[in-house]
Amino acid sequence: DAGITQSPRHKVTETGTPVTLRCHQTENHRYMYWYRQDPGHGLRLIHYSYGVKDTDKGEVSDGYSVSRSKTEDFLLTLESATSSQTSVYFCAISGDYQETQYFGPGTRLLVL
Amino acid sequence: AQKVTQAQTEISVVEKEDVTLDCVYETRDTTYYLFWYKQPPSGELVFLIRRNSFDEQNEISGRYSWNFQKSTSSFNFTITASQVVDSAVYFCALTGNTGGFKTIFGAGTRLFVKA
Repeated sequence: DAGITQSPRHKVTETGTPVTLRCHQTENHRYMYWYRQDPGHGLRLIHYSYGVKDTDKGEVSDGYSVSRSKTEDFLLTLESATSSQTSVYFCAISGDYQETQYFGPGTRLLVL
Repeated sequence: AQKVTQAQTEISVVEKEDVTLDCVYETRDTTYYLFWYKQPPSGELVFLIRRNSFDEQNEISGRYSWNFQKSTSSFNFTITASQVVDSAVYFCALTGNTGGFKTIFGAGTRLFVKA
C-alpha cells in the first residue's frame, strides 16, 4: 500500500472557523490531490499539486486553498468553514498525471 | 469538457450471479486514461485497473474483467460469480491530457451482493 496518511481523520467544527487538513506521503510522488466525496457526486477534485509550490484548481475549488512547501506534505485549508463543506475529504498521490492515483484513508469533516 | 457517467446507481444481486457495471465517458482528448476503483463499506478507495486510450485489449483478473470499447466510449466492469465481499461502491474515472490533467470520477455504482 502507498504510504499516505491524512490528519485529522475526523473533525467537527463550527461555521466560520478555519480548518486545515494535512496529507502526508512517504512515496516521493510528484502529484498530490485533494478530493471531496459527497453522495450522488462521486469524488470531485478540489485542488492538485504537480510539485513543490505548484498547484492548480480543480472543479470545486471555491472556498478552499492549498499549499505545498515540501514534497511530502499537501495542506488543504478552509478559510471560513461552511455547512456545505461537510464532506469526506480524500488525498491522493501519483507519480505523474497519467499514472494511477493512490488514496489516503480520508478525513470526515462535519461543519455545524 | 470531460464527463463520466455511471447510470446504475445501485445494483442488487444474489451471490454467484454475474454482474456488469457500466461506465460511459466523454472526452475530446486523443490520449486519456481510465480507471476503476472499489470503495468497500470500510471507506477506503482501492485501485482495481488502469487502461490507456491506446490499449483496447480487454483485461481479466480472476473473477474481474473489463471491456474497453472506444467506439462506444465505454469501459464496463464485470464480476463473475459475485461474492458477498464484492459488496461496495465502484467508481469509474477518466484522466485526460489537456486542461490541466484533471481526473473526473463517475458518481459510483453501489453493488449489494446478497448471500
